[in-house]
Amino acid sequence: DGGITQSPKYLFRKEGQNVTLSCEQNLNHDAMYWYRQDPGQGLRLIYYSQIVNDFQKGDIAEGYSVSREKKESFPLTVTSAQKNPTAFYLCASSDRVAVGETQYFGPGTRLLVL
Amino acid sequence: AQSVAQPEDQVNVAEGNPLTVKCTYSVSGNPYLFWYVQYPNRGLQFLLKYITGDNLVKGSYGFEAEFNKSQTSFHLKKPSALVSDSALYFCAVRLPRGITGGGNKLTFGTGTQLKVEL
Repeated sequence: DGGITQSPKYLFRKEGQNVTLSCEQNLNHDAMYWYRQDPGQGLRLIYYSQIVNDFQKGDIAEGYSVSREKKESFPLTVTSAQKNPTAFYLCASSDRVAVGETQYFGPGTRLLVL
Repeated sequence: AQSVAQPEDQVNVAEGNPLTVKCTYSVSGNPYLFWYVQYPNRGLQFLLKYITGDNLVKGSYGFEAEFNKSQTSFHLKKPSALVSDSALYFCAVRLPRGITGGGNKLTFGTGTQLKVEL
């Protein structure tokens, strides 16, 4: 059963703590993305990666970091520098050679601050 | 720069009636346009996309969308709404690769909450 998985479903962060959100896909997609969703603001791009060992900043990268060591995995770390991390985080992937390059999304991780 | 506007925060419709969720875009060039649906506490599900060709695009669950280049719109429609269609709908735009400003960046609207009532 192909798809994108994100874990955990809920994550709690304490002040000054770094936390890492997992994203795994078995769709054999080259490109992967991280978005942040806040009520009434749509989705905003944090980071994206087009191939292994390469990634670029999106519109709101400050306070976040990523790695892309494997094609199927694109973890996102929310660092202590991100002062307002409470949000719904969505991971997506796409096939770069497919017409239109539709992005497919995982189920999301909700991050809450204690 | 590319942008998407969804002018209605919420759309209410009675079950069995036709529904329309509006989307307009601003981009230089010929865009790729997408509609996604999101149920509470879930990820986005792809509904349909316009790449080129026929202006009327058919997608999942009986939804369709009409691309109108002169009005820069891509409204989502369904002939007969179901209560189960109640969800948050997002329109998104992207330029093709090779076009200035094109590539991976998918720009989303702020979403329209659809409520279908009995």
